[in-house]
Amino acid sequence: GAGVSQTPSNKVTEKGKYVELRCDPISGHTALYWYRQSLGQGPEFLIYFQGTGAADDSGLPNDRFFAVRPEGSVSTLKIQRTERGDSAVYLCASSLTGPSSYNEQFFGPGTRLTVL
Amino acid sequence: DQQVKQNSPSLSVQEGRISILNCDYTNSMFDYFLWYKKYPAEGPTFLISISSIKDKNEDGRFTVFLNKSAKHLSLHIVPSQPGDSAVYFCAVATNTGNQFYFGTGTSLTVIP
Repeated sequence: GAGVSQTPSNKVTEKGKYVELRCDPISGHTALYWYRQSLGQGPEFLIYFQGTGAADDSGLPNDRFFAVRPEGSVSTLKIQRTERGDSAVYLCASSLTGPSSYNEQFFGPGTRLTVL
Repeated sequence: DQQVKQNSPSLSVQEGRISILNCDYTNSMFDYFLWYKKYPAEGPTFLISISSIKDKNEDGRFTVFLNKSAKHLSLHIVPSQPGDSAVYFCAVATNTGNQFYFGTGTSLTVIP
């Protein structure tokens, strides 16, 4: 079956521009997560959706970052006024239900964002 | 604050030998521990997990050991195969939390 997909796979933008990154979770998964992985680091939590609502956005670094999941499936991570420090791989994951010990998170391949 | 540390950025092992990857965490409240494997240009894939009520979990060639008093987690791969070459991340979580905390990864190379 289809796994988590993310588009685009690569995005190059200029400092100050706006970008949108898309995530298609596994069908039927109610929980969706966004992570950011900088060079030489592990994935770092950004935000978690349960259905349509952001249940935990404590990892978003500042108000330039925003994410939506209007119909409880596809999610879009939006970054305004991009900065060079936003360059990273943005990973999306989904799980069958909410985060718990027994719900494996399935990751997509990521979007590599480069801000020039 | 780095909640999870993988102090070895890389490891090379001969095919057929044991690979041991280590992970240390700081918070005794964590009660679920996982290992993910990542190939280039792919997302991390789940490998094996263990809950805090156990000290060992085995799945084929992969065994995870948990030492709660030392706040230490390790992954053993026996025997190592060239296809095991990848970056391995440990991750920790609480039963009530919403996120996994990942280590910085260890790049394993299994030499044929």
